[in-house]
Amino acid sequence: DIQMTQSPSSLSASVGDRVTITCRASQGISNYLAWYQQKPGKVPKLLIFAASTLQSGVPSRFSGTGSGTDFTLTISSLQPEDVATYYCQKCNSAPLTFGGGTKVEIK
Amino acid sequence: QVQLVESGGDLVKPGGSLRLSCAASRFTFSDYYVTWIRQAPGKGLEWVSYISSSGSTIYYADSVKGRFTISRDNAKNSLYLQMNSLRAEDTAMYYCARVLLYFGDPGYFDLWGRGTLVTVSS
Repeated sequence: DIQMTQSPSSLSASVGDRVTITCRASQGISNYLAWYQQKPGKVPKLLIFAASTLQSGVPSRFSGTGSGTDFTLTISSLQPEDVATYYCQKCNSAPLTFGGGTKVEIK
Repeated sequence: QVQLVESGGDLVKPGGSLRLSCAASRFTFSDYYVTWIRQAPGKGLEWVSYISSSGSTIYYADSVKGRFTISRDNAKNSLYLQMNSLRAEDTAMYYCARVLLYFGDPGYFDLWGRGTLVTVSS
């Protein structure tokens, strides 16, 4: 099975900072990757699919890049409402594995 | 509005059984694959199982294979998860979610329910 590894597991940044989260697949998965945001006490929300396509309604400060084994989620200017845990997820074939998550906090 | 609502979570003893339900509303349930995802307290997300729109294709995570059974009733707009031989490590919030296909393959989870809590403890 393909494993999904996220880094870092947590980070602290200032409002306005550029934040980058990495997700690595143990085998190539083309662009079959999604990113989710889970705010404290809330249900996960789809942010990005197909590695780089923003879900409707998601602010443009979020972006995704990558293909194959290495992917990134970038928040161009961190806002207080972005405090959350972010998960990557591989798609297209079972198991539909999630990464371990990256907790983003405000410094 | 378009939504999924889970129910059936409870406190159950190790070795026991439980059946979760997920009711869909305001969209054509029978057009979509659907899935169960769980999250243990303070932990990350774990995909559990998915079922195709017709029910003909089903997959499970290794951690639940042989113990859990996913099913659906399109006439009732409902998804189910029969959970047998429950273990302490099955304790989690269980979410159902709608699956968007990507080039015909199971892709992304665009609509989530609020979850139902399963606690396995003696």
